[in-house]
Amino acid sequence: ELKVEQNPLFLSMQEGKNYTIYCNYSTTSDRLYWYRQDPGKSLESLFVLLSNGAVKQEGRLMASLDTKARLSTLHITAAVHDLSATYFCAVDENNDMRFGAGTRLTVKP
Amino acid sequence: NAGVTQTPKFRILKIGQSMTLQCAQDMNHNYMYWYRQDPGMGLKLIYYSVGAGITDKGEVPNGYNVSRSTTEDFPLRLELAAPSQTSVYFCASSFPGQENNEQFFGPGTRLTVL
Repeated sequence: ELKVEQNPLFLSMQEGKNYTIYCNYSTTSDRLYWYRQDPGKSLESLFVLLSNGAVKQEGRLMASLDTKARLSTLHITAAVHDLSATYFCAVDENNDMRFGAGTRLTVKP
Repeated sequence: NAGVTQTPKFRILKIGQSMTLQCAQDMNHNYMYWYRQDPGMGLKLIYYSVGAGITDKGEVPNGYNVSRSTTEDFPLRLELAAPSQTSVYFCASSFPGQENNEQFFGPGTRLTVL
């Protein structure tokens, strides 16, 4: 069965600090997605990672994929309050998309 | 383009009632999906469709039905609503021609069953 596990589930950071969110999955799929969700809102696509070693960056966020380890990371650099949200990773196996439980990130001044 | 639209935004049902959640997209996407999100949890796939007339079950299909008569619309039907179906429902679509199959999400429907 396809499983996707994120950790940590809750993360409280101070502004200016760095941190990494981890996403482990059980399938051989090499398509991994990161989404952001603000409270009461829908999901916004952040990154799509399609191959081993893929790295993508947007602003203070950088995502990477290691398909051999079945691990993706979302690295936050010099966090700011605007990054406070819930971050989900998801894996697509033959159109069966499975999401992690999410990491609720709070960035404090 | 309006993207993915969902109606209604909110709904309260009594146990045993039925209803249809509407989803439409104007991006000519062949693939469409229905998810539910319980409080504090990730999304779970209910049903998906790869084109008009083709639907398939996802991870949690029990208690739901779908149809796909057009490319644009993908309604989700709840028969005999139960409190366990209280959730936020998201519809999404994607374009199969894109290698990455990135999904675009609607705003969601918040359903409460009492």
